[in-house]
Amino acid sequence: AQSVTQPDIHITVSEGASLELRCNYSYGATPYLFWYVQSPGQGLQLLLKYFSGDTLVQGIKGFEAEFKRSQSSFNLRKPSVHWSDAAEYFCAVGQGTSYDKVIFGPGTSLSVIP
Amino acid sequence: KAGVTQTPRYLIKTRGQQVTLSCSPISGHRSVSWYQQTPGQGLQFLFEYFSETQRNKGNFPGRFSGRQFSNSRSEMNVSTLELGDSALYLCASSLNRGVYNEQFFGPGTRLTVL
Repeated sequence: AQSVTQPDIHITVSEGASLELRCNYSYGATPYLFWYVQSPGQGLQLLLKYFSGDTLVQGIKGFEAEFKRSQSSFNLRKPSVHWSDAAEYFCAVGQGTSYDKVIFGPGTSLSVIP
Repeated sequence: KAGVTQTPRYLIKTRGQQVTLSCSPISGHRSVSWYQQTPGQGLQFLFEYFSETQRNKGNFPGRFSGRQFSNSRSEMNVSTLELGDSALYLCASSLNRGVYNEQFFGPGTRLTVL
């Protein structure tokens, strides 16, 4: 069965430090890959997505992610974290073109120390 | 352009009651999906509506239902509420169906079942 893991439940970084959030999935074919962010009291916002092509994807708010087929990973990175980046981050993996086929990871909570 | 709005934002019900949640999509968006978010199960797809028809349904009991109106507004209904139905219910709209159309999420309705 398709699954999505985000190994880090909670991460704390200092403002200005770099960030990497991990995401691994199990799925035979190349999936559709997404990263979402959820701020407290808010819905989800799409940061970036990968469907095909260049495996390094640029998103909003200075985030990027790299698809590594050999490692079944789609890690999210940001070179310099801002206090406003504190939120919950969800990786999602789709095995089809409809949203009912998208599975969300458990999320990683990010805290930022000023 | 106004975002996705959900009403009410908070709701407290008792077991056995029923509840109706409302979602107004972004103007022009024709697809509306609903998700349940809980600490234990994470984000789970409930159903998708497009052109007033349910197109996909997640693995939820028949107590969960919904509908979509001609103006694309959607409602979801949960009958015979159980304690386990306590969750944040998120609505998302997109221009058309499928993962190639970005979903925009509302802030959610927080349902507490006592």
